[in-house]
Amino acid sequence: TQLLEQSPQFLSIQEGENLTVYCNSSSVFSSLQWYRQEPGEGPVLLVTVVTGGEVKKLKRLTFQFGDARKDSSLHITAAQPGDTGLYLCAGATGTASKLTFGTGTRLQVTL
Amino acid sequence: EPEVTQTPSHQVTQMGQEVILRCVPISNHLYFYWYRQILGQKVEFLVSFYNNEISEKSEIFDDQFSVERPDGSNFTLKIRSTKLEDSAMYFCASSVSVRLNTEAFFGQGTRLTVV
Repeated sequence: TQLLEQSPQFLSIQEGENLTVYCNSSSVFSSLQWYRQEPGEGPVLLVTVVTGGEVKKLKRLTFQFGDARKDSSLHITAAQPGDTGLYLCAGATGTASKLTFGTGTRLQVTL
Repeated sequence: EPEVTQTPSHQVTQMGQEVILRCVPISNHLYFYWYRQILGQKVEFLVSFYNNEISEKSEIFDDQFSVERPDGSNFTLKIRSTKLEDSAMYFCASSVSVRLNTEAFFGQGTRLTVV
């Protein structure tokens, strides 16, 4: 069974701070996706990383896929209240027909 | 913007009853999925569906579950005899392909409460 552990589980920070969320596994994934989920809604894709060592930037968000494709990180610079939400990583092996989701990181950014 | 729509948003049912959760995937998508999220737990894969048949399913997706694409637009998940532990958010998703960079679009979910 493939498992994706995210840390921290909860994070409460003030506006303007930087943070990093980690997604770790003992399994190798073909691709790793990061989602954000708002209460009462489905996950919304932020980014997909495919190549080991790949780094992708989305405004203030930086995503990195580990060299061995077993882990990933999400770094947010100068967090804003609008970044508040549940961040999920999800891995795929082979094709993207089945995603294994991580345990989630709930982020709260306060003024 | 095209989106995956799910109905109902909330379903309450008695234990042992059958429920059908409905989804309308994005129109040009070919791959369809059901996931569930028990309150406080992670999102779990149930089943993927392509070309009118199941392409992959998890151990959660036992004989009590079935999926169907009855009319070319709807994609349904049926639970034959609900149990208390089936209470969860059920998410439908669809994608154009299963290539690694393909985005799966998720619906807003149906909250199923079994009492």
